[in-house]
Amino acid sequence: NAGVMQNPRHLVRRRGQEARLRCSPMKGHSHVYWYRQLPEEGLKFMVYLQKENIIDESGMPKERFSAEFPKEGPSILRIQQVVRGDSAAYFCASSTGTGNTGELFFGEGSRLTVL
Amino acid sequence: DAKTTQPNSMESNEEEPVHLPCNHSTISGTDYIHWYRQLPSQGPEYVIHGLTSNVNNRMASLAIAEDRKSSTLILHRATLRDAAVYYCILRGGSGSARQLTFGSGTQLTVLP
Repeated sequence: NAGVMQNPRHLVRRRGQEARLRCSPMKGHSHVYWYRQLPEEGLKFMVYLQKENIIDESGMPKERFSAEFPKEGPSILRIQQVVRGDSAAYFCASSTGTGNTGELFFGEGSRLTVL
Repeated sequence: DAKTTQPNSMESNEEEPVHLPCNHSTISGTDYIHWYRQLPSQGPEYVIHGLTSNVNNRMASLAIAEDRKSSTLILHRATLRDAAVYYCILRGGSGSARQLTFGSGTQLTVLP
């Protein structure tokens, strides 16, 4: 059973470009979470999705950021018009959604560098 | 979510036990205590979780105080691979699979 797959692992963008980060959850998992980790800082929750639904986007910046988890295919975190402050590691996690005891499985992260 | 308090850093010698403390004085009755760790340049990984009773698994043990206001993650024999940031997280809610809220954690250094 493959783990959570994130791609690309590394992405370089110039200011103003768009970044698309993909996350394929573990097989059988229908819950996806995105986190951001700025250099030398902790993990900050961004958004929690189930298939075709955004459950909690309280940690998502109001502008330029969006996330989706379609019925088919990976979850995508999209950052429009990137700025230098968007440079960070973006981690995706998935779970089966079994209440507050279920384990979250994290991917290796996508490291975005904005020039 | 209720907050947790952990020391910023700890050191341990290789092959010795490590006790990582966590205070959570405002824990509610439905909050589970979860521990995750993050190795350098990797995503977090689950370590253990518990509610009231002490828990053991292949990675670690979790000792939970009787009043549940604190807990201790125990690594029985630290190895160099255990050097990581360890996060103590309370996870509660109404039964839905809510997100984890990470604090600053404890940076564990294992000395050879």
